[in-house]
Amino acid sequence: QLQLQESGPGLVRPSETLSLTCTVSGDSISSGRYYWSWIRQYPEEGLEWIGYIYYSGSTHYNPSLESRVTISIDTSKNQFSLKMYSVTAADTATYFCAHTDPIEDWFDPWGQGTLVTVSS
Amino acid sequence: DIQLTQSPSFLSASVGDRVSITCRASQGISSYLAWYQQKPGKAPKLLISAASTLQSGVPSRFSGSGSGTEFTLTISSLQPDDFGTYYCQQLKTFGQGTKLEIK
Repeated sequence: QLQLQESGPGLVRPSETLSLTCTVSGDSISSGRYYWSWIRQYPEEGLEWIGYIYYSGSTHYNPSLESRVTISIDTSKNQFSLKMYSVTAADTATYFCAHTDPIEDWFDPWGQGTLVTVSS
Repeated sequence: DIQLTQSPSFLSASVGDRVSITCRASQGISSYLAWYQQKPGKAPKLLISAASTLQSGVPSRFSGSGSGTEFTLTISSLQPDDFGTYYCQQLKTFGQGTKLEIK
């Protein structure tokens, strides 16, 4: 059974870099046609797709975040990662990683999520 | 950019009721639309993909329909475990959510 688990600091200072890792278990991150996404959810419950990556390293980002985000993948560790630069309080959210079908356009399953607070 | 508008934003219903949630897209670009259920403190769970394909393990009381710019999630007979917030999603964009409360 495919499972995803986010990890990383829960507190990041303004203007610094948010770094999260998603560890995939139950299948190889290199298998199939599927992509691997980062999604965040604001405290008011709105969901925002950040971007996704294919095992080849090909990426696609939300245009609204593209200038501040990098998603990378480490197939040897079955992990993919998110870096978000120059964060502000507006980046405070719960961050999820998710398995993604880019053709049929769905996210499943999701990791449990990790709350990241941006504060000094 | 596509925008998804769900209605209603809040729904209170009784066990056994038939409930429907509508998702309207600002453009009829894609036939693919997904529905998710989220419980407090948990990640969203995929219920339906491609507008009407029920995911494995999801109770048959859930169904999806629609095309173009209007899609509907229906729960045929509401159960106590169906509380939560429901989201539609298309082209990496999510609706604002519908919070379902069991009376």
